[in-house]
Amino acid sequence: QLQLQASGSGLVKPSQTLSLTCAVSGGSISSGGYSWTWIRQPPGKGLEWIGYVFHSGSIYYNSSLKSRVTISVDRSKNQFSLEVSSVTAADAAVYYCARIRTSNFYYSMDVWGKGTTVTVSS
Amino acid sequence: DIQMTQSPTSLSASVGDRVTITCRASQRISNYVNWYQQKPGKAPKLLIYGASSLQSGVPSRFSGNGSGTDFSLTITSLQPEDFASYTCQQSYSNPLTFGGGTKVEIK
Repeated sequence: QLQLQASGSGLVKPSQTLSLTCAVSGGSISSGGYSWTWIRQPPGKGLEWIGYVFHSGSIYYNSSLKSRVTISVDRSKNQFSLEVSSVTAADAAVYYCARIRTSNFYYSMDVWGKGTTVTVSS
Repeated sequence: DIQMTQSPTSLSASVGDRVTITCRASQRISNYVNWYQQKPGKAPKLLIYGASSLQSGVPSRFSGNGSGTDFSLTITSLQPEDFASYTCQQSYSNPLTFGGGTKVEIK
């Protein structure tokens, strides 16, 4: 059964870079028909899509964050990562990694990691 | 960006009730809508994809409908484990966007 586990810097200082990694187990990150995504949810608020990477390596970002966000893939470790630079209090959120099923073109997020909380504070 | 407007933002219902949540897109998006359930402190769970297709393992009391700009999620005979928040998501175009969520509470 596919599982995703996000980990990384839980406490980040303002203006610094947030770094998270999502480890994929029970399946290959290189499998066709899927992409891998990061989504965040500020406390008490709704979900915000950050970006996704296809199995082919193509990457798409939310334009609202694009200048500060980098998503990368390490196929040898079966994981993908997120960096958000120049963080502010607005970047404090629960960050989720998830799998997007692209094979049916509906881009539904069918497997989610548990989420990791990022706090921004000096 | 496509805006997804959900209503109501919250509702109170009893076990056994039929509940309908709606989502309106800011432009026509065919049937590119997915619905998720989220419980406090947990990750969202996919319920419906493609506006009306039931995700594997999801009880048949959940159903989705709609096309164009107006979509709905219906829960027939609400069960205790269904008290949660529900969110729609459009996948018609990037950026992928979500509705603001609807919290279903116990009456």
